[in-house]
Amino acid sequence: QVQLVQSGAEVKEPGASVKVSCKTSGYTFTTFVIHWVRQAPGQRLEWMGWINTGNANTELSQKFQGRVTFTRDTSASTAHMELSGLRSEDTAVYFCAREPGYDSTGYRIEAFDFWGQGTVVTVSS
Amino acid sequence: DIVMTQSPDSLAVSLGERATINCKSSQSVLFSSNNKNYLAWYQQKPGQPPKLLIYWASTRESGVPDRFSGSGSGTDFTLTIGNLQAEDVAVYYCQQYFGTPYTFGQGTKLEIK
Repeated sequence: QVQLVQSGAEVKEPGASVKVSCKTSGYTFTTFVIHWVRQAPGQRLEWMGWINTGNANTELSQKFQGRVTFTRDTSASTAHMELSGLRSEDTAVYFCAREPGYDSTGYRIEAFDFWGQGTVVTVSS
Repeated sequence: DIVMTQSPDSLAVSLGERATINCKSSQSVLFSSNNKNYLAWYQQKPGQPPKLLIYWASTRESGVPDRFSGSGSGTDFTLTIGNLQAEDVAVYYCQQYFGTPYTFGQGTKLEIK
């Protein structure tokens, strides 16, 4: 069965960086795009960007340009998200999520069918 | 950015009754070349990640009960939950994937009356 298992909670000081891992299983890792979405307390879900796990191409939300890096390790079927220059507003639950791919008519479904359990990142001095 | 606005923010419905949640986008999410609405619905229970219910505005994800249905086109969409069950208590989100950044509604909290 498809599973995405994320790394554990992190507490960071302002200005630091955090790296969150998303280990996948149950499917061919390089076949499906992985997205990153975060949810700050009391806020709506916020899309951060995606990584093509096959060729490592990425697309980032402009809001996070220059601060976030997506990488992947195909040998470990794992995606990583690193966020730098942390500030208190970055306190949130960070999710990785798999994109389903293409439907029967050949159109890409850019929604999220399987999710990691979430990683709590707390930014506090 | 496309702004997604849901209504109501919360609602309480009796068991066995129907719940209706609305989602409005600030611009059309209908792609004219394929006539598809780039709109998804999710259910999120406390302490859990969201669960995909509907994509293309009305296509039910595999395994989702047929009590859940999506409708609408362009800028106005509806998620309907028929024969409400206790396990349907959750927050529901719409999401557009017409253009990046992909954006979500603020969520609608569904409770049992």
